[in-house]
Amino acid sequence: QKEVEQNSGPLSVPEGAIASLNCTYSDRGSQSFFWYRQYSGKSPELIMSIYSNGDKEDGRFTAQLNKASQYVSLLIRDSQPSDSATYLCAVNGAGGSYIPTFGRGTSLIVHP
Amino acid sequence: GAVVSQHPSWVICKSGTSVKIECRSLDFQATTMFWYRQFPKQSLMLMATSNEGSKATYEQGVEKDKFLINHASLTLSTLTVTSAHPEDSSFYICSAPWAGGSKNIQYFGAGTRLSVL
Repeated sequence: QKEVEQNSGPLSVPEGAIASLNCTYSDRGSQSFFWYRQYSGKSPELIMSIYSNGDKEDGRFTAQLNKASQYVSLLIRDSQPSDSATYLCAVNGAGGSYIPTFGRGTSLIVHP
Repeated sequence: GAVVSQHPSWVICKSGTSVKIECRSLDFQATTMFWYRQFPKQSLMLMATSNEGSKATYEQGVEKDKFLINHASLTLSTLTVTSAHPEDSSFYICSAPWAGGSKNIQYFGAGTRLSVL
């Protein structure tokens, strides 16, 4: 059974700090990895996608992928209170499958 | 990015009635859509995979006769909660994979909050 594991948190960081969110997955053949942000009462919105080992940066967000360790992370620099949300890690299966497996999500709290 | 429209965003109904939720891909075709349910402070739970022109695939423990899914066109999937009861009250979200750039990214509808009295 494919699994995606995340620490449920909450992760609490002060405003301006770097928030580091982590995710591990069990399907070694997975090829596509995504981070979604979900505000309370809202549906998830895509933050980042990453497909190859290494770092991918987009503004204040950096996604990191290490397929050998089956590990994907999301760094949020200069964290803002508006970043307070639940962050969901999603992994697509092997062979180009578009059926995602979601982690339970990590709650992030950025306090002023 | 792609746009997925879902409505209604909020519905209140009496116990025993049926509720239909629509999910549309506005600017792309989706042969597959996904339906999720999320209870407060819990994770997304995949209910079923909706397949255009064929039967939906339900996850274990999801009653297919209670949660009817129809995917009659390449841009529309509907979820009907039949004979709804208070325990069906939840946040229902649909998503569709967009294959733009050969990468399948899930785009979500805004969700439907169902309250059964």
